[in-house]
Amino acid sequence: SQELEQSPQSLIVQEGKNLTINCTSSKTLYGLYWYKQKYGEGLIFLMMLQKGGEEKSHEKITAKLDEKKQQSSLHITASQPSHAGIYLCGAATGYSSASKIIFGSGTRLSIRP
Amino acid sequence: EPEVTQTPSHQVTQMGQEVILRCVPISNHLYFYWYRQILGQKVEFLVSFYNNEISEKSEIFDDQFSVERPDGSNFTLKIRSTKLEDSAMYFCASSRSSGGLTYNEQFFGPGTRLTVL
Repeated sequence: SQELEQSPQSLIVQEGKNLTINCTSSKTLYGLYWYKQKYGEGLIFLMMLQKGGEEKSHEKITAKLDEKKQQSSLHITASQPSHAGIYLCGAATGYSSASKIIFGSGTRLSIRP
Repeated sequence: EPEVTQTPSHQVTQMGQEVILRCVPISNHLYFYWYRQILGQKVEFLVSFYNNEISEKSEIFDDQFSVERPDGSNFTLKIRSTKLEDSAMYFCASSRSSGGLTYNEQFFGPGTRLTVL
């Protein structure tokens, strides 16, 4: 079965600093999702990457899917308190619209003022 | 902006009781999902639903669970006889149809926190 490993598990950064979160899959990715979750709340969709080498941005957050399609990175530029939360990567398990998502364990991000 | 809504936000029930969790997916979406997240653990897939039938279900989704789209807007998850281990946050998600091999973003609701006593 497919496993997603996220690193680091937690991260504390000074406000204004840049940071990167990584997501590595045990199998080739059909598609990779990034979500943000505040503790005890729902998942907010950030972006989805499908093609190797694809890069997308949402405000100050950029995500990239590597060429071999087994790893993705999420980069936040000039972090702000609003970026704090848990970042989850998820892998689509097929090309079908009904394909389930397998999630990683998440990276907990705290921003220090 | 359209969003997935879920009710109730928190449900407390006694072990052995039936619960129904309700979701209203985004209106033009055709694919529906339930996931759950036990406190401190990963978000886990339960079931996907399309065209009034289950597309896929996980091993968690046993005979105690059922899903239904009773009308054009609601999508429900029923747990017939709740167990202590069913305590979790349950998320509904939806995605729109696609015409080919591409797939679509799944948008999640805020969740229902189920507590089984």
